[in-house]
Amino acid sequence: KNQVEQSPQSLIILEGKNCTLQCNYTVSPFSNLRWYKQDTGRGPVSLTIMTFSENTKSNGRYTATLDADTKQSSLHITASQLSDSASYICVVIFGTALIFGKGTTLSVSS
Amino acid sequence: GAGVSQTPSNKVTEKGKYVELRCDPISGHTALYWYRQSLGQGPEFLIYFQGTGAADDSGLPNDRFFAVRPEGSVSTLKIQRTERGDSAVYLCASSLGAGPNYGYTFGSGTRLTVV
Repeated sequence: KNQVEQSPQSLIILEGKNCTLQCNYTVSPFSNLRWYKQDTGRGPVSLTIMTFSENTKSNGRYTATLDADTKQSSLHITASQLSDSASYICVVIFGTALIFGKGTTLSVSS
Repeated sequence: GAGVSQTPSNKVTEKGKYVELRCDPISGHTALYWYRQSLGQGPEFLIYFQGTGAADDSGLPNDRFFAVRPEGSVSTLKIQRTERGDSAVYLCASSLGAGPNYGYTFGSGTRLTVV
């Protein structure tokens, strides 16, 4: 069964600190992997898109990595800000299907 | 429009009633998806349209759920005889096409509460 698992389920960090979110997937073959940010009460917004041949992709303070051999991805957030508080969702594209993880809820406190 | 618009933003209905949720995609986007997101969960696929036709409706949980897109733009998700378990946020996304080469834009969702 195609699945996307994320960890941790939730995370609390202090403003200015770094953090790393994990995503493991069993989708095969997959086309690309995306990380989305979902603010409370809003729809998901794309942060990064990586194909199976890419190892890393950055978008400002967000850096995503992908290891297609181990089927693992991570999202690293540098120098966190209060506005980073949101749910971060890993999504694997499989043909025309988007397979979502359950997300990691990040809370950044001052 | 500039983004994907979903109306209403919130809907409270009594158990057993019929509801319609509307999605207005970005102009020109041929692909349209409906997802359901329960609290603390990721979005779950319901149905995908390519133009006017439902290309994949395998995610619809039962025959109480139905969706249409008669003119290939606006889509309506229809839920008959609502149950408390239908309470969730219903998200709509649109794209120029479907597949890995396209970006997907999500609406802010309709929060449905069945009491």
